[in-house]
This record gives sequence, structure tokens and C-alpha cells, in this order.
Amino acid sequence: DAKTTQPTSMDCAEGRAANLPCNHSTISGNEYVYWYRQIHSQGPQYIIHGLKNNETNEMASLIITEDRKSSTLILPHATLRDTAVYYCIADGFQKLVFGTGTRLLVSP
Amino acid sequence: DTAVSQTPKYLVTQMGNDKSIKCEQNLGHDTMYWYKQDSKKFLKIMFSYNNKELIINETVPNRFSPKSPDKAHLNLHINSLELGDSAVYFCASSGRDRGRADTQYFGPGTRLTVL
Repeated sequence: DAKTTQPTSMDCAEGRAANLPCNHSTISGNEYVYWYRQIHSQGPQYIIHGLKNNETNEMASLIITEDRKSSTLILPHATLRDTAVYYCIADGFQKLVFGTGTRLLVSP
Repeated sequence: DTAVSQTPKYLVTQMGNDKSIKCEQNLGHDTMYWYKQDSKKFLKIMFSYNNKELIINETVPNRFSPKSPDKAHLNLHINSLELGDSAVYFCASSGRDRGRADTQYFGPGTRLTVL
């Protein structure tokens, strides 16, 4: 699995967009980029994943650079319930390797 | 409807005891996992089963023995519990897509405290 680097923490005002960056410069061609989050004391929750193209679902958007060395998770209108640790994972084979993630604090 | 469920939610026990944590998924997935999250919040995979067959064993001590009676269940049995086993244990399941780790659905976790 490729190593990922994320900021330790970020703040966001409620209602604003939260843009969470992730570097994965050693990602290989067949590795997907996955985003999960963990709200306090709960199990991790899948958000979105992508390979090359940008992706959007009901929770978020994923922007992957053309060289695939970095990506950004966008929560378009952050709410207080989006406060969580967000994990960016460059998938290898059969398993997810969680790093330290970004602690996102959404404030009123 | 609970997709991935674990029992018990909390488990407090003495050192040296043997305990089990149960996991069930109703998603029809073929693959199930156990993860451990320690006090520093690092989340690490322990085991993975696909159709009742062990496919990942991440250098976990032999005291940990996963058992999969069918593909909807993956239980974790721990012998001779040690203080360092205190952690939150998460079960997860996923569908398979040509062997790639697919979207995983996690259970609510079991907080194990060894005294």
C-alpha cells in the first residue's frame, strides 16, 4: 500500500466547504484512493473512493490530480456532525491501511 | 437494520482470562475483517476471512484465534488476555471485486478492558 500524508488537524466553519488534502506520491497505477471517516467512538465509515477521475456522491466529492500524487476530499457544506477523523487510504491488495488521518473540527 | 453488528459492546475482564467477541453481517458479503484500535487511536487490521477462509493474518499473537462458522459470522477468541490487549476491536465486511479491498462496512466496535 502506498503511504499517504495528511494534515493532523483542520478547522471549518459550519456551512462552509471543507477541503481535506492528501498526498500519495508513491501510489501505483492500480491503487484506488479511499476516504473513510471515524466519528468519535464509532466504527469507521466509508465516504468515497476513486482511481483517476473525480468522483461525487451524496456525502462528498473527490478530486484526484492528473498525476494521481494527491487528492482532495470536499465536504461541500460542512455540518457539526461532520466533525471526525478523516482517513485517506491508497489501497493495495485485500486490506485497508489506516494512517493517522486529519481531525476535522466543524464549528458553529 | 444493522449491517454489521458486534457483541458485546463493552467487555471488562481480568488478565489471564479467555474471552470471545462475536460479529455478524447481514450484507451478504464474502469477506470479513477484524481491526484493533489502540489507546493512541491507531487502527490496524488483524485478520481477514473470505468465504470462511483466512486470507490475512497480520502477525497477531497466537492467543488470538478468529473463527468463521459461516460467511456471515466472524468471531474473535482471545486466550490468556494481557493488559496490552485492551483496545477497541472493530469488525468489518466487504464485497469483493477482483480481489481488491472493496468498500468496507464497520461494526460499532467492542471496547475491551483488561484489568
